[in-house]
Amino acid sequence: GQQVMQIPQYQHVQEGEDFTTYCNSSTTLSNIQWYKQRPGGHPVFLIQLVKSGEVKKQKRLTFQFGEAKKNSSLHITATQTTDVGTYFCAGYGYSNYQLIWGAGTKLIIKP
Amino acid sequence: DAGVTQSPTHLIKTRGQQVTLRCSPKSGHDTVSWYQQALGQGPQFIFQYYEEEERQRGNFPDRFSGHQFPNYSSELNVNALLLGDSALYLCASSLEGTVGKGANVLTFGAGSRLTVL
Repeated sequence: GQQVMQIPQYQHVQEGEDFTTYCNSSTTLSNIQWYKQRPGGHPVFLIQLVKSGEVKKQKRLTFQFGEAKKNSSLHITATQTTDVGTYFCAGYGYSNYQLIWGAGTKLIIKP
Repeated sequence: DAGVTQSPTHLIKTRGQQVTLRCSPKSGHDTVSWYQQALGQGPQFIFQYYEEEERQRGNFPDRFSGHQFPNYSSELNVNALLLGDSALYLCASSLEGTVGKGANVLTFGAGSRLTVL
């Protein structure tokens, strides 16, 4: 079945360093969404990418959707303590209504 | 504008019992999806309801069942509880429609944390 692989599982950074998480789908996606889950919280929608090669920015966050619509990335510039949490990608295929989730990347700020 | 509300927030059951979790979707949303999230894991899709029908189902046994009411609210029922059913159960609502126009974006509730002893 359709799978979305997300790496890395964890990333430890010093505050002010950059953070990147990558998602790769086994099949072409109609669109991909990104969610953030703070510790003890629930996933919160960040952004949706629909077009091949699309790049969107939200302040220090940059989201990319690959040309083949099978991969995506989230890059955070100059991380802050407020960025702590787990970032999930989730994609829709073309043949069903199920959002396929990556396993998430946990951003940890080193003390 | 009320978001997604779930009840109860926490509950404790024993093996073999049955549980019902409830969800009221965000105002204007017509689709409800249920997820199971074990500690430290990503959300696992249980099923989705649209127009009071189960439209899509994940890899969960028949012990997991649900319902959607005419007002779009939903229930998740789990029978014959197992220890492994202990998890955070998340309800997410969305609006059915054209991708890229705000549709099919999930709004999650705070979840119901189920502990099975």
